[in-house]
Amino acid sequence: EAGVAQSPRYKIIEKRQSVAFWCNPISGHATLYWYQQILGQGPKLLIQFQNNGVVDDSQLPKDRFSAERLKGVDSTLKIQPAKLEDSAVYLCASSLEGVRGYEQYFGPGTRLTVT
Amino acid sequence: AQSVTQLGSHVSVSEGALVLLRCNYSSSVPPYLFWYVQYPNQGLQLLLKYTSAATLVKGINGFEAEFKKSETSFHLTKPSAHMSDAAEYFCAVSVQGNTPLVFGKGTRLSVIA
Repeated sequence: EAGVAQSPRYKIIEKRQSVAFWCNPISGHATLYWYQQILGQGPKLLIQFQNNGVVDDSQLPKDRFSAERLKGVDSTLKIQPAKLEDSAVYLCASSLEGVRGYEQYFGPGTRLTVT
Repeated sequence: AQSVTQLGSHVSVSEGALVLLRCNYSSSVPPYLFWYVQYPNQGLQLLLKYTSAATLVKGINGFEAEFKKSETSFHLTKPSAHMSDAAEYFCAVSVQGNTPLVFGKGTRLSVIA
């Protein structure tokens, strides 16, 4: 079974530029999450999708961050314009809907450096 | 709301020694608890999980954790450390259902030969 795929793995941009990350979850996983992991901290939820609908985006900085999940499969996370404090690893995770004691499967992450 | 506190941002043990990584949680409802491991430049890998069944949970690579409701703890242990155990370890909590994980700040484990 293929795991969660993310691209690119690394990205370096200047502040005020825009950037997009892509995630392909495990086949059949209805729930998809984007987490932000700042150096030295644990991951923090940005947004949760159930199929192609948003379940929780309360911690997403909506003035600069946006995310979508077309057709309930792949997802993209965009930052426009980027700030220095957006430097972090962006992790995508997926899980099965309704599975008791569900597990989240994480991709390798995209490391963003904003200069 | 849920929260997790991991005591000790860095733990160092000798190869063959006991590994003990501490995690305390806060939750207003019965929690699900998880331990994840993260190797450099990689994503998170699930070590083990507690989902209201047995309080002593065994995971991969010889790790185990015990859920203690009275102490609100879920400490991770391994009897004998290997060099390959050196990594970042995260404790996380969620509530029943398909809900996001709330992570602690992580503990970096170093293993000394």
